[in-house]
Amino acid sequence: GAVVSQHPSWVICKSGTSVKIECRSLDFQATTMFWYRQFPKQSLMLMATSNEGSKATYEQGVEKDKFLINHASLTLSTLTVTSAHPEDSSFYICSARDVAGETQYFGPGTRLLVL
Amino acid sequence: EDKVVQSPLSLVVHEGDTVTLNCSYEVTNFRSLLWYKQEKKAPTFLFMLTSSGIEKKSGRLSSILDKKELFSILNITATQTGDSAVYLCAVPNTNAGKSTFGDGTTLTVKP
Repeated sequence: GAVVSQHPSWVICKSGTSVKIECRSLDFQATTMFWYRQFPKQSLMLMATSNEGSKATYEQGVEKDKFLINHASLTLSTLTVTSAHPEDSSFYICSARDVAGETQYFGPGTRLLVL
Repeated sequence: EDKVVQSPLSLVVHEGDTVTLNCSYEVTNFRSLLWYKQEKKAPTFLFMLTSSGIEKKSGRLSSILDKKELFSILNITATQTGDSAVYLCAVPNTNAGKSTFGDGTTLTVKP
């Protein structure tokens, strides 16, 4: 089956630093990748949709200058949380949609803790 | 605006019980409905449904779609404690390029 990896799985950083999270589709090409965040016991919240080779589309209320997304290839998208603050601590999950465009496969997620 | 509503929001059963989870939707340009299971990590894919009345089955899990009444159900028979999870239903909007997710049903299976 389709596999999506994320790296790192855990990150702890100091307030003010930037953190980069990578999302890779391992055995399929993903023209579209999605970035979500999820707080404990809450639903997935879509942050942005990223298409390979073009600018990401951000959801309302998500600061594009704070959450930088780059989708440089058909198998890699990155999310950079710039100048992270404690309120950015969350579970960040990426997903990739296969070429047929129907099914989204999720990465294992990255837990970010900003001290 | 696309809408996906899941019910119940939470459910507690005992091992061996059978459960039915519901997902209703209102979306434009419907093509498919997806079910996921989320434990303590990210969601894992269960089923994709595109046609009405055709049951998809995987072990003790099965799902069916009714495109006329705009809903899907996910059945789990002979539940086990390992089935405890949040079950998510999602409908991709091919025009918008993203999926609308329901809030999920939290299933707890007690021994």
